[in-house]
Amino acid sequence: ETGVTQTPRHLVMGMTNKKSLKCEQHLGHNAMYWYKQSAKKPLELMFVYNFKEQTENNSVPSRFSPECPNSSHLFLHLHTLQPEDSALYLCASSQDPGTVNEKLFFGSGTQLSVL
Amino acid sequence: TQLLEQSPQFLSIQEGENLTVYCNSSSVFSSLQWYRQEPGEGPVLLVTVVTGGEVKKLKRLTFQFGDARKDSSLHITAAQPGDTGLYLCAGAGATDSWGKLQFGAGTQVVVTP
Repeated sequence: ETGVTQTPRHLVMGMTNKKSLKCEQHLGHNAMYWYKQSAKKPLELMFVYNFKEQTENNSVPSRFSPECPNSSHLFLHLHTLQPEDSALYLCASSQDPGTVNEKLFFGSGTQLSVL
Repeated sequence: TQLLEQSPQFLSIQEGENLTVYCNSSSVFSSLQWYRQEPGEGPVLLVTVVTGGEVKKLKRLTFQFGDARKDSSLHITAAQPGDTGLYLCAGAGATDSWGKLQFGAGTQVVVTP
């Protein structure tokens, strides 16, 4: 069992669809993150939650809507996406955010294609 | 904005050869991390360096943090096919940076048998 589990692994959606990405961490961490990874670009931090409270929204368009019902679960709701939103979406968790001991544990990601 | 530039973007070598990848910035970081990402998987943390000039070894991998804490290098000795992957560096700008790690775009390393 991996520490951070993401579903689905692959998703193809049209621009008018509504879908959700799910992330679950089994590590007992307090902080959870959504990152976007596009080819040949640095990972882009999208959202950060600590103890279920959103502490970072990195100017992400409103067509991406996060939800964190508890410290173990994180969702990313998708609506009216654009083709340029196609990317690998990575979820991560950590125990000591903001410290030199901070370690991010990533899930395997959801490869999203928007047609 | 703190930017981390990684070089080279792509590196293909034969098994048994050595390689070095670089992570450079004009900004000072309080700590710097290296991750490896294999195809179809998320990044996995390899090491964290926090002190200028620090050298850490992980089996055949040697990580160095620059004296001024602006750059870092990763050296792999006698590379093996299992070393294939995308190597990412990530820097923390301040002690309260809060998950705001700045990532480089990565170096894709391919080691062929």
